[in-house]
Amino acid sequence: EVHLVESGGGLVQPGGSLRLSCAASGFTFPTFWMSWFRQAPGKGLEWVANINQDGSDEYYVGSVKGRFTISRDNAKNSVFLQMSSLRAEDTALYYCARKTSGADWYFDLWGRGTLVAVSS
Amino acid sequence: EIVLTQSPATLSLSPGERATLSCRASQSISRYLAWYQQKPGQAPRLLIYDASNRATGIPARFSGSGSGTDFTLTISSLEPEDFAVYYCQQRSNLPPFGGGTKVEIK
Repeated sequence: EVHLVESGGGLVQPGGSLRLSCAASGFTFPTFWMSWFRQAPGKGLEWVANINQDGSDEYYVGSVKGRFTISRDNAKNSVFLQMSSLRAEDTALYYCARKTSGADWYFDLWGRGTLVAVSS
Repeated sequence: EIVLTQSPATLSLSPGERATLSCRASQSISRYLAWYQQKPGQAPRLLIYDASNRATGIPARFSGSGSGTDFTLTISSLEPEDFAVYYCQQRSNLPPFGGGTKVEIK
C-alpha cells in the first residue's frame, strides 16, 4: 500500500528553525516530483514547494523563498523541508504530497500532516 | 497570477440531494483544473483532474465540468460520507487553490 508519513513538526519560537521529513513507501519514489503544502488553522490549502525527481529543480511560493529549502534523499525514499527564520504566519499543518506522473500538476497521494506552531 | 474563487462558501444540503459547487478562475485555464475533498482531520483526496476526469477509485456520483474560467463539481446524490470541504486547484507548477466550499448537513 502506498503511504506518505510526515514528521518533525513542533513548537518553535519566531526566528527559529525546523526540519520536516516525509517518508514514502509503496511506490517508486525516485520517479516522482514531490511537494509540500500547508494549511493554517481553519484556513485553506496553500502550496509551499516542489522538487523534481533527482533534486535538481525546485519551486517555492513567494512567502517562503529564501527561508525554506526542499530536498530529497532517494536512497531513503524521503523528502524534507528545512524551515528557517520562522514566523507566526508559518503556523500550519504541513503535508507532503506526490505529484501525478507525467506532465500533469495534480497531487494524488498525501500524508496526514505534521503540525508546526511558531510562537513565543 | 491566477486566482481561483469558489462559491458558495457553505452549502447546506440533505443526504440524497444534488450538490453543485463552483470554481471561477481569474483568467482562462483551459481545462486544467482539479477538485479535492478534505474531511475533518484528514488529508485532501484528489477527486477530479483536467476538469472532468475522475481519479482512481472515485465514485461515479462525482462529476466535473467546465473550461476556460468557469468550472463545476457536481455530486449527484449526497452520501453521508460526502459532507466535507472541497477545493479546486489549477494545474500549475506553482499551484493555486480556491478558498474551499464546505458541504454541510442541513
